[in-house]
Amino acid sequence: DAGITQSPRYKITETGRQVTLMCHQTWSHSYMFWYRQDLGHGLRLIYYSAAADITDKGEVPDGYVVSRSKTENFPLTLESATRSQTSVYFCASSEGTSGTYTQYFGPGTRLTVL
Amino acid sequence: GNSVTQMEGPVTLSEEAFLTINCTYTATGYPSLFWYVQYPGEGLQLLLKATKADDKGSNKGFEATYRKETTSFHLEKGSVQVSDSAVYFCALSDTGRRALTFGSGTRLQVQP
Repeated sequence: DAGITQSPRYKITETGRQVTLMCHQTWSHSYMFWYRQDLGHGLRLIYYSAAADITDKGEVPDGYVVSRSKTENFPLTLESATRSQTSVYFCASSEGTSGTYTQYFGPGTRLTVL
Repeated sequence: GNSVTQMEGPVTLSEEAFLTINCTYTATGYPSLFWYVQYPGEGLQLLLKATKADDKGSNKGFEATYRKETTSFHLEKGSVQVSDSAVYFCALSDTGRRALTFGSGTRLQVQP
């Protein structure tokens, strides 16, 4: 199916472990984003990418690493998970040429760090 | 920097009541403004948008007008339904990064 998908949908891990969250979109959108959603904070930008091999930090990048070797994929890695990274993570994408910058969101990954 | 302020929730209404969720913003330049909706257990869906001053976005009976003079983008619906129960997020675009800055969200509960 076309669209934006995330995997896994749910993940439980332990402090100190490395975790990778996957994001895949089928629209060939230039821009992709990772947000985390925490109660009372809305969504906050972790990292974004304007194109393959171009990434940059958002508001809360510490403890996260991203890569984008292909336009359609934008994985997010927690190098050494901490309890404060327990959250719901959303991936989004948008066209590069659209003037309105509308973003389309995946279903989210609920991550629990014990 | 950019910021979005939404009214605190939850907002509890009876079916067919009038809805207003306030949203004000601070931004440089001329951002686009959005309302997204999140149903339980799901991702965010675009509800409506406006790209310039005085534009009115509308969808599914919801409306919001881009008011540059008051830096506001309040969401309204004339008659809510139980199925409108969700969390609503106001957001603005960052013309540089293309990223969105979100408000903290407002939970709407509609009772039959």
